[in-house]
Amino acid sequence: GAGVSQSPSNKVTEKGKDVELRCDPISGHTALYWYRQSLGQGLEFLIYFQGNSAPDKSGLPSDRFSAERTGGSVSTLTIQRTQQEDSAVYLCASSLDRGLTYEQYFGPGTRLTVT
Amino acid sequence: QKEVEQDPGPLSVPEGAIVSLNCTYSNSAFQYFMWYRQYSRKGPELLMYTYSSGNKEDGRFTAQVDKSSKYISLFIRDSQPSDSATYLCAMSAIPTTSGTYKYIFGTGTRLKVLA
Repeated sequence: GAGVSQSPSNKVTEKGKDVELRCDPISGHTALYWYRQSLGQGLEFLIYFQGNSAPDKSGLPSDRFSAERTGGSVSTLTIQRTQQEDSAVYLCASSLDRGLTYEQYFGPGTRLTVT
Repeated sequence: QKEVEQDPGPLSVPEGAIVSLNCTYSNSAFQYFMWYRQYSRKGPELLMYTYSSGNKEDGRFTAQVDKSSKYISLFIRDSQPSDSATYLCAMSAIPTTSGTYKYIFGTGTRLKVLA
């Protein structure tokens, strides 16, 4: 079956512009995560959605970052007024439910370059 | 100090060698330990997970956890060129009932198996 998909796969933007990154989770998965992967930094948790509960936004690095998940499915991560330090690979993952026994399935990521 | 430390490598080994990949951690609340494999330009995929100290084997892969030393390892026997990838360790504590199952990732070790 279809895995997690993300679009665009690559995005080059100028400093100061806003960008939107999209994640389509696996159908039926109630949990959705956004991570950022920078060189030498590993995967950094950004935000977590679980069903209809309020999202856990504790990993968002600044108020320029926001995310929403519409209808419990597709999610959009928005970065406003992009900075060069925002350049990274943004990964989305989904899992069937919350809980450690539920594997997180990752998408291929969106490679963001801010010039 | 990072919660999870992992040598970024790169680690180059000849085909057939036994590979040892390691992570150390500082948070004694971590109880769930995972190893992910990430090929270039792809999202991470789960290789193995374990809850407890000791060894867990799956084919050519063995995961080892030593909670007393806060040290985890992944061993790959009879390594193949197709094992060339970045290997990330990840770990999580058991959250409170409404908490997020947040994974803390290492930076990843780049492995290259030479034919």
